[in-house]
Amino acid sequence: AQKITQTQPGMFVQEKEAVTLDCTYDTSDPSYGLFWYKQPSSGEMIFLIYQGSYDQQNATEGRYSLNFQKARKSANLVISASQLGDSAMYFCAMREAGGGFKTIFGAGTRLFVKA
Amino acid sequence: DVKVTQSSRYLVKRTGEKVFLECVQDMDHENMFWYRQDPGLGLRLIYFSYDVKMKEKGDIPEGYSVSREKKERFSLILESASTNQTSMYLCASRRGQAGELFFGEGSRLTVL
Repeated sequence: AQKITQTQPGMFVQEKEAVTLDCTYDTSDPSYGLFWYKQPSSGEMIFLIYQGSYDQQNATEGRYSLNFQKARKSANLVISASQLGDSAMYFCAMREAGGGFKTIFGAGTRLFVKA
Repeated sequence: DVKVTQSSRYLVKRTGEKVFLECVQDMDHENMFWYRQDPGLGLRLIYFSYDVKMKEKGDIPEGYSVSREKKERFSLILESASTNQTSMYLCASRRGQAGELFFGEGSRLTVL
């Protein structure tokens, strides 16, 4: 069964340091997409980065990169040079080709950036 | 500016009431989704729709129904609200089968 696991309920990072948020997934579908979203305290969900299952290179978007290890079924988000504004909930999500292309989410990780 | 709009940010209802949550998107997206968000559980998919009048059950459809009469509008219906349906409800849309979701601001429902 398809599943997303985020094992870190909360994380602390010092401002300007890098942080890795863990995400593992489970699927039997060879075609899938992996996403990370940010949810600040204001509540809106913001798309950060996408990785396709057939993509050879890790995705990067500015300070965000996705460490995609297909054999391990992991898709960790790396935020470089953390900023105070990065304090938020972060959700890993997966979209499968099967099952109607629905998107499922993990439980989320709350990141706290310390000044 | 593209937008997903949810009709109510905050609602308070009584047990047994019928509740309608409305969602409208202006991006001409084929796919629309309803999730509920609870602390420690993340977002759980209730229902989704990939076309007008089409719907598919998500992971937690019990106690909910949906309606999609027009492409831009996807409604979530709680036929008889219960206290365990107190939650944040998020609507999202997506163009086609790939790509990211666009979310509304959420509707926080409290059932007393």
